[in-house]
Amino acid sequence: QLQLQESGPGLVKPSETLSLTCTVSGGSISSSSYYWGWIRQPPGKGLEWIGSIYYSGSTYYNPSLKSRVTISVDTSKNQFSLKLSSVTAADTAVYYCAREEQVSNYYYMDVWGKGTTVTVSS
Amino acid sequence: QPVLTQPTSLSASPGASARLTCTLRSGINLGSYRIFWYQQKPESPPRYLLSYYSDSSKHQGSGVPSRFSGSKDASSNAGILVISGLQSEDEADYYCMIWHSSAWVFGGGTKLTVL
Repeated sequence: QLQLQESGPGLVKPSETLSLTCTVSGGSISSSSYYWGWIRQPPGKGLEWIGSIYYSGSTYYNPSLKSRVTISVDTSKNQFSLKLSSVTAADTAVYYCAREEQVSNYYYMDVWGKGTTVTVSS
Repeated sequence: QPVLTQPTSLSASPGASARLTCTLRSGINLGSYRIFWYQQKPESPPRYLLSYYSDSSKHQGSGVPSRFSGSKDASSNAGILVISGLQSEDEADYYCMIWHSSAWVFGGGTKLTVL
């Protein structure tokens, strides 16, 4: 059974870079049928997609975050990572990683990690 | 104006049906989009429920009861999630989502209260 696990610092200082890793177990990140994504949820608010990556390194980013976001993949470790630079308190959120499965001619997020809380504070 | 608009909250009684809407911004053609629906309970990640493009192109999530169904209302340019035979366990936040301009876009979510 596929599982995703987010990891990284729970506290980041303003203006610094937030770095998170999602470890995939029970399946290969290198499968051609999947993208791998990051989504966040500020306290008490809705979901916001951050970006997605294919095992080859091809990426899509949320236009509103694109200038600050880098998503990368390490197939040897079965992991993908998120870096968000110049963080502010507005980046405080639960960060989820998710698998995007291909069905016919579309993808959808079918498996999610449990999420990790990141607080931006000095 | 947001790409997707959902009512903030909705209340319904056990055993009744709930109709959740997801309105696409004016100028975005509902017919061209597959609408995805997610359920989220407190302290849990979202759970995929279903997606709907047309009656001949819809997908139910694994283990999702058939009382969750999707549709579209062209007159209001909205995707619809209907939950029939409401149960207390259906009380949750519900999010719609589309793939728009090479990006995933979520609606703001609807908090469904079953009382």
